[in-house]
Amino acid sequence: NAGVTQTPKFQVLKTGQSMTLQCAQDMNHEYMSWYRQDPGMGLRLIHYSVGAGITDQGEVPNGYNVSRSTTEDFPLRLLSAAPSQTSVYFCASSYTGPRTDTQYFGPGTRLTVL
Amino acid sequence: TQLLEQSPQFLSIQEGENLTVYCNSSSVFSSLQWYRQEPGEGPVLLVTVVTGGEVKKLKRLTFQFGDARKDSSLHITAAQPGDTGLYLCAGEAMEYGNKLVFGAGTILRVKS
Repeated sequence: NAGVTQTPKFQVLKTGQSMTLQCAQDMNHEYMSWYRQDPGMGLRLIHYSVGAGITDQGEVPNGYNVSRSTTEDFPLRLLSAAPSQTSVYFCASSYTGPRTDTQYFGPGTRLTVL
Repeated sequence: TQLLEQSPQFLSIQEGENLTVYCNSSSVFSSLQWYRQEPGEGPVLLVTVVTGGEVKKLKRLTFQFGDARKDSSLHITAAQPGDTGLYLCAGEAMEYGNKLVFGAGTILRVKS
């Protein structure tokens, strides 16, 4: 199993550009989520999904869109990047929610918005 | 304001010493987790506690969930350089829609 994979590993954008951060898992997990990690702030939940076709907002959803068309994939879209979105982004997955099951994190995408 | 306050923010100790990291909140949590993260990698789950007063041990690591489910601690006995990393607590609280929230983390450095 590859576990949770994220691409790209690094990305530099200009303000206003759009891009999609990719996340895939091969463990047949229903629950997937996106976090951003900023210095001194821990991880903050952006969006999450409890299964294909179902998504919901987390703590900091503004400026980000998600969709879940398959169990395996959960892409995160930035429609118009802003410098405030400079961060490290982590995708995670588990069979059920994090309370009842181990949540596995990907290696992260380091995004810089100029 | 951080929902989960971790202390200390940074800890540098010698190999063999003991240490305790704290995770405190004014909110009641239905569950609380501890993660360890190394540079350039994602967090790795160490333990989940769900019952007030619960104590779990993982080799030299001891985790405790407060009786009122508002706080937790991580105690490491005889720290080793391999314990170096960022330790994060995270929990689910009903007043925050049972979505997972993280503390800011404690950076631990164990010198040999």
